[in-house]
Amino acid sequence: GESVGLHLPTLSVQEGDNSIINCAYSNSASDYFIWYKQESGKGPQFIIDIRSNMDKRQGQRVTVLLNKTVKHLSLQIAATQPGDSAVYFCAETALYGGSQGNLIFGKGTKLSVKP
Amino acid sequence: DAGITQSPRHKVTETGTPVTLRCHQTENHRYMYWYRQDPGHGLRLIHYSYGVKDTDKGEVSDGYSVSRSKTEDFLLTLESATSSQTSVYFCAIRGGVSGELFFGEGSRLTVL
Repeated sequence: GESVGLHLPTLSVQEGDNSIINCAYSNSASDYFIWYKQESGKGPQFIIDIRSNMDKRQGQRVTVLLNKTVKHLSLQIAATQPGDSAVYFCAETALYGGSQGNLIFGKGTKLSVKP
Repeated sequence: DAGITQSPRHKVTETGTPVTLRCHQTENHRYMYWYRQDPGHGLRLIHYSYGVKDTDKGEVSDGYSVSRSKTEDFLLTLESATSSQTSVYFCAIRGGVSGELFFGEGSRLTVL
């Protein structure tokens, strides 16, 4: 597959450890945030989302934390597995603003899981 | 599987030639998008559509045009391809309860 992460920040973790991927967003008017996972040669895949009226949301092995004060978003992956190796993107939008809900994507973080 | 098909998946062309990429969806979603993905830039919006014959520009629309003559198809055209348009192109639809995007598998375009 094609490489989309030539100059990306990289996080390397041991299998079984927890991973934390961080994202700083830019628009204080953004009220909806999404994390995507992209494996090599594939399109981005939805993982989890959170609205601005929440600080935390949990899914299966994943948790998203939102700190609106410092405009920071994080994705926590519990018990990281080799299949979690991918590039992770955060995305933001203002659902009720003038952007028609169009998503703005961060540049991504490459997660590498060591067996 | 969000029912999105992109074609072609891979294309090599020469500078100055026209190129059309097709995105086909099977789930009757209103919103469709074209993004390009490049190292160091992430995903950038080219054009989007909010209905048949309703389209608008995104962040990097110069050199691209789109058409949507029916709900299921969204076409991206490069009238005269340039080397700077070498990229991976992703189509997306807006679905889900909160409006999250679902992406196709991508079309890799190389302009020589």
